[in-house]
Amino acid sequence: DGGITQSPKYLFRKEGQNVTLSCEQNLNHDAMYWYRQDPGQGLRLIYYSQIVNDFQKGDIAEGYSVSREKKESFPLTVTSAQKNPTAFYLCASSIGGTGKQPQHFGDGTRLSIL
Amino acid sequence: AQSVSQHNHHVILSEAASLELGCNYSYGGTVNLFWYVQYPGQHLQLLLKYFSGDPLVKGIKGFEAEFIKSKFSFNLRKPSVQWSDTAEYFCAVTRGGGADGLTFGKGTHLIIQP
Repeated sequence: DGGITQSPKYLFRKEGQNVTLSCEQNLNHDAMYWYRQDPGQGLRLIYYSQIVNDFQKGDIAEGYSVSREKKESFPLTVTSAQKNPTAFYLCASSIGGTGKQPQHFGDGTRLSIL
Repeated sequence: AQSVSQHNHHVILSEAASLELGCNYSYGGTVNLFWYVQYPGQHLQLLLKYFSGDPLVKGIKGFEAEFIKSKFSFNLRKPSVQWSDTAEYFCAVTRGGGADGLTFGKGTHLIIQP
């Protein structure tokens, strides 16, 4: 089955620590996205990538970093500069291009601060 | 930048009642419109979408939505809800021709009572 795999499902971070969330897709999609979901806030775009080795900041990129070295992988690093990292993180992908293609979502990673 | 407003954050209905969830967006240009649904314990999935043409679009599970350009609205409807429709519903937009990720509303938590 094609889909998006996010790991781990739950992640705990200590203060001052960087953590990396994994996102892998086998849908052969060009575009990949990271969103943050907070209760009552909906989803907000962190970063997106239309092609390998290229990515753009979304609405709330501060304190986060990404890489896109392979088409199927788009890891997100939550750095110590992100002051409020506790949230549910969703990765998505789409065929890409015009914004008309629906996005497919993973099951998410829930990040908590110890 | 575009924004999306969903008017009802929590809705409780009885089975067989009719449903209408409001969604308004703010963006002066062409937009692509989506409704996504997140059932308990499942990943976010596409319910329906609108790009152009007939402003009344039909989606999965008996849902439909109407695009009213003059009102910047894309309301979701279902004539008769079922207990299995209990979920979180998100309205989202992308700019026409843009591939820079979805802008989501804050979501509506729908509870259907048997």
